[in-house]
Amino acid sequence: DIQMTQSPSTLSASVGDRVTITCRASQSISTWLAWFQQKPGKAPKVLIYKASRLQSGVPSRFSGSGSETEFTLTISSLQPDDFATYYCQQYNTSSGTFGQGTKLEIK
Amino acid sequence: QEQLQESGPGLVKPSETLSLTCTVSGYSIRSGYYWGWIRQPPGKGLEWIGSIYHSGSTDYNPSLKSRVTISVDTSKNQFSLRLNSVTAADTAVYYCARAAAGSWGQGTLVTVSS
Repeated sequence: DIQMTQSPSTLSASVGDRVTITCRASQSISTWLAWFQQKPGKAPKVLIYKASRLQSGVPSRFSGSGSETEFTLTISSLQPDDFATYYCQQYNTSSGTFGQGTKLEIK
Repeated sequence: QEQLQESGPGLVKPSETLSLTCTVSGYSIRSGYYWGWIRQPPGKGLEWIGSIYHSGSTDYNPSLKSRVTISVDTSKNQFSLRLNSVTAADTAVYYCARAAAGSWGQGTLVTVSS
């Protein structure tokens, strides 16, 4: 089974900061990786799919990169609406393991 | 874009079976993709439960495999989750979703309590 390790678990930042979240797969998943944003009481929302493709309607300050086992989500200039929890998910196989999540907090 | 909606009891007794159904609209399950169930215990992260293809092929989280069954009814464009021998640790919001970064349902809270 593929394990996903996400870091950091908590990130404190200010509006306007550039932040990066990392996700590591226990084996190669090519670029079969998605990033989700979740706000309290809501279903997760897809931000990035296939490691670097921006979902329609998602602001361009979000970007994804990486392949094989190392992936990053970058927010270029934090906005107040971006403070939420972020998850990576691999979908290389019929399974769909998630990372542990990163809670992005206001500093 | 497809839309998904979970349905089923919000309260299940310990040792009994949790059953949920996901109804898909705007896309035919027969057309492809895996379809999955995910859960989120209160205050915790997302846990993938399992996935099913329209052919009926399944894949389950090893930690839940002994208690989970996912099935599909292409005639109704639905897929279902059964989790048996539930305990309080199975209390969670349960989501259905299309795999490969597709749409999600809004989620349904299932509480295990007597």
